[in-house]
Amino acid sequence: GNSVTQMEGPVTLSEEAFLTINCTYTATGYPSLFWYVQYPGEGLQLLLKATKADDKGSNKGFEATYRKETTSFHLEKGSVQVSDSAVYFCALNNAGNMLTFGGGTRLMVKP
Amino acid sequence: GAVVSQHPSRVICKSGTSVKIECRSLDFQATTMFWYRQFPKQSLMLMATSNEGSKATYEQGVEKDKFLINHASLTLSTLTVTSAHPEDSSFYICSARGQTNTGELFFGEGSRLTVL
Repeated sequence: GNSVTQMEGPVTLSEEAFLTINCTYTATGYPSLFWYVQYPGEGLQLLLKATKADDKGSNKGFEATYRKETTSFHLEKGSVQVSDSAVYFCALNNAGNMLTFGGGTRLMVKP
Repeated sequence: GAVVSQHPSRVICKSGTSVKIECRSLDFQATTMFWYRQFPKQSLMLMATSNEGSKATYEQGVEKDKFLINHASLTLSTLTVTSAHPEDSSFYICSARGQTNTGELFFGEGSRLTVL
């Protein structure tokens, strides 16, 4: 079956630090991969996505590259801000409407 | 982009009462919507898949008589938590598939239910 594994949080960083949140997946075929972000008290928002191997999704300074050889989709940002504090979810969609989510990683950015 | 709206965003109710949460796709038609539940500091758990005009498909372990789902139109799905208990307190989120085939889902803002 499909599964997504994320690094456990919380991840605590100082402002302007470099961020990496690891995500690996297990799936048959060629899933689409997503990062969703959930700000405090809000619902999920799509942050970025990649639909095929070697694609790079990017948005708001965040990037993630679809690596089929390592079955990974790590999220990175060169310089985090306090406003990036949120919970980040890695997810995959494999030939269907349903998403399989990772456990979520809480990011806390301190000024 | 596609917009999905949930209402209410917060609801507090007494134990034993029923609560209805609405999920609307505002600018697109959604033949399929999904209901998730999120416990504190945990990931989303899919509860059920809601199909317009037919019965919802529930995930294993989800009580269909307790969590009633109705998808009466292409833009509205409702989740009714019947005879709510404190352990039903949670964050409920709906989503609907967009009109492209990339698998992207659009999520509502979520509804936080607190059962006293």
